[in-house]
Amino acid sequence: GNSVTQMEGPVTLSEEAFLTINCTYTATGYPSLFWYVQYPGEGLQLLLKATKADDKGSNKGFEATYRKETTSFHLEKGSVQVSDSAVYFCAQTNTGNQFYFGTGTSLTVIP
Amino acid sequence: DVKVTQSSRYLVKRTGEKVFLECVQDMDHENMFWYRQDPGLGLRLIYFSYDVKMKEKGDIPEGYSVSREKKERFSLILESASTNQTSMYLCASTDRVYGYTFGSGTRLTVV
Repeated sequence: GNSVTQMEGPVTLSEEAFLTINCTYTATGYPSLFWYVQYPGEGLQLLLKATKADDKGSNKGFEATYRKETTSFHLEKGSVQVSDSAVYFCAQTNTGNQFYFGTGTSLTVIP
Repeated sequence: DVKVTQSSRYLVKRTGEKVFLECVQDMDHENMFWYRQDPGLGLRLIYFSYDVKMKEKGDIPEGYSVSREKKERFSLILESASTNQTSMYLCASTDRVYGYTFGSGTRLTVV
């Protein structure tokens, strides 16, 4: 079946530190992969996506590369800011209809 | 920008009440979804709809029903609210190309 596994949090980093949040998936076929971000008190917003193997999604300094060989889509940012504090969700879909989400990783960035 | 609007940000209801959560999207999307979000469990799909008057059960439909009388509106109904339905409820819609667009969420407390 389809599922997403992402690293458990919470993650606490100092400002300007390097961020990696791991995400792996199981799927039939070749899904599209997404990272969503949820700021406190809000709904989820699309952060970036990749639709095929070796694609790199990027936005706001965040990047993730679709790795078919390792079934992974790890989220990275070179220098985090306090404003990046949020919960991050990895997700996949084969059809564009139903999405499968990871459990979310909470990130806190301290000054 | 696609906008998904959930009618209430916070709601407090009594056990046994019938509860309606409303969701409206303004981009003519066919597909709409209801999720609940709980700490440590991520997002779990309750119901979804591919078209007017169509509905499909998600992973946790028990205790819920839905209504889709118009394309832009997708309502979640708690037939008889219970304390274990205290949660954050998220509505989403998609055009199958750009991914989900989420509403801001409704935090429901059942007392």
